[in-house]
Amino acid sequence: SAVISQKPSRDICQRGTSLTIQCQVDSQVTMMFWYRQQPGQSLTLIATANQGSEATYESGFVIDKFPISRPNLTFSTLTVSNMSPEDSSIYLCSVEEGGLETQYFGPGTRLLVL
Amino acid sequence: EDQVTQSPEALRLQEGESSSLNCSYTVSGLRGLFWYRQDPGKGPEFLFTLYSAGEEKEKERLKATLTKKESFLHITAPKPEDSATYLCAATIAGGYNKLIFGAGTRLAVHP
Repeated sequence: SAVISQKPSRDICQRGTSLTIQCQVDSQVTMMFWYRQQPGQSLTLIATANQGSEATYESGFVIDKFPISRPNLTFSTLTVSNMSPEDSSIYLCSVEEGGLETQYFGPGTRLLVL
Repeated sequence: EDQVTQSPEALRLQEGESSSLNCSYTVSGLRGLFWYRQDPGKGPEFLFTLYSAGEEKEKERLKATLTKKESFLHITAPKPEDSATYLCAATIAGGYNKLIFGAGTRLAVHP
């Protein structure tokens, strides 16, 4: 399976600021996904990012708050904008490999907003 | 509304004490049922995919099964290293590959 890395692994930020999270994959993949895991809860899909097209956002998530870039087949970024303490979560990227439907996850970025 | 529910929320076992975790799903049309393991501070690790009722898959001490309404993750003679949160997720027929996750079962295996 693909090896996925995320940067930063964790961060503490002040409210009102923005943070960009990077996701790097060691092979070319078509579909990349961004999830949020709030404290004590399960994973919720934020958006799907396909190379060459605009990201598709799930209900409750908007581009102004979570802009996503997908410049090539191995890299994506998620920005958490104008942060509030409610944005404190783990943010995970995942990739789908070779049309197999199975998603493989990165290690996550742990964000604390004060 | 498409939903995945896992039970119990938490499970404590003695080493060697076999048990099962439950994942029930209410979705408009199941395409795939996925099991993941998540260790503290890490991303989910893929375990199994099941596609049709009656299907079973095994890996070491774990066996996943699927019916038309639920899936079970059977753990045989667990060891302390099996301690983790086990997540169940579903994808829906006719849609893109969005994973709908349950809340997970936190498993603790004590020596």
